[in-house]
Amino acid sequence: AQKITQTQPGMFVQEKEAVTLDCTYDTSDQSYGLFWYKQPSSGEMIFLIYQGSYDEQNATEGRYSLNFQKARKSANLVISASQLGDSAMYFCAMRITGTYKYIFGTGTRLKVLA
Amino acid sequence: GAVVSQHPSRVICKSGTSVKIECRSLDFQATTMFWYRQFPKKSLMLMATSNEGSKATYEQGVEKDKFLINHASLTLSTLTVTSAHPEDSSFYICSARDSFYNEQFFGPGTRLTVL
Repeated sequence: AQKITQTQPGMFVQEKEAVTLDCTYDTSDQSYGLFWYKQPSSGEMIFLIYQGSYDEQNATEGRYSLNFQKARKSANLVISASQLGDSAMYFCAMRITGTYKYIFGTGTRLKVLA
Repeated sequence: GAVVSQHPSRVICKSGTSVKIECRSLDFQATTMFWYRQFPKKSLMLMATSNEGSKATYEQGVEKDKFLINHASLTLSTLTVTSAHPEDSSFYICSARDSFYNEQFFGPGTRLTVL
């Protein structure tokens, strides 16, 4: 069965510092995608970054980068130069290729301190 | 980027009434839409997959008679919570798959409160 695990229910980071949000996954499928979404208090799901299982390079999108370690089945999100507006809930998700269904982790609430 | 809207964004209703939530893809066609439910401070749980022109596929444990899904056009799926009860209070989020680009986009969510 597919599963996403986020072990950090809450994290604090000082403004302008970098922070890593952990995500591990479990699947026996070879082809899958890993996603990170940000959910502010308004509730909308904001797409941040995507990593395909066959991508050899770690994905990067601006201040977001994904530390993909396939052998360890981990896909940690790194946010560099944290900003106050980064305070939100962050979800790691997996989608098995061809199914279109997302499996979400339990989320990590990030609080950026001034 | 592609936009998915949900209406209403917030609804309060009395116990026993039915509530309809709409999910629209505004600038693309979506043959498949998904409905998720999120309890406070919890993760998103997939409820059902909505396919245009056919019956929805429900996840295990989701009552299909309770949560009626209709996907009558390529841009609209509706979720009707029938005979709502306080335990149905939740945040409901839809996502729509852009068939052409094979990407998914989430709606802004609907917060349902049943009194």
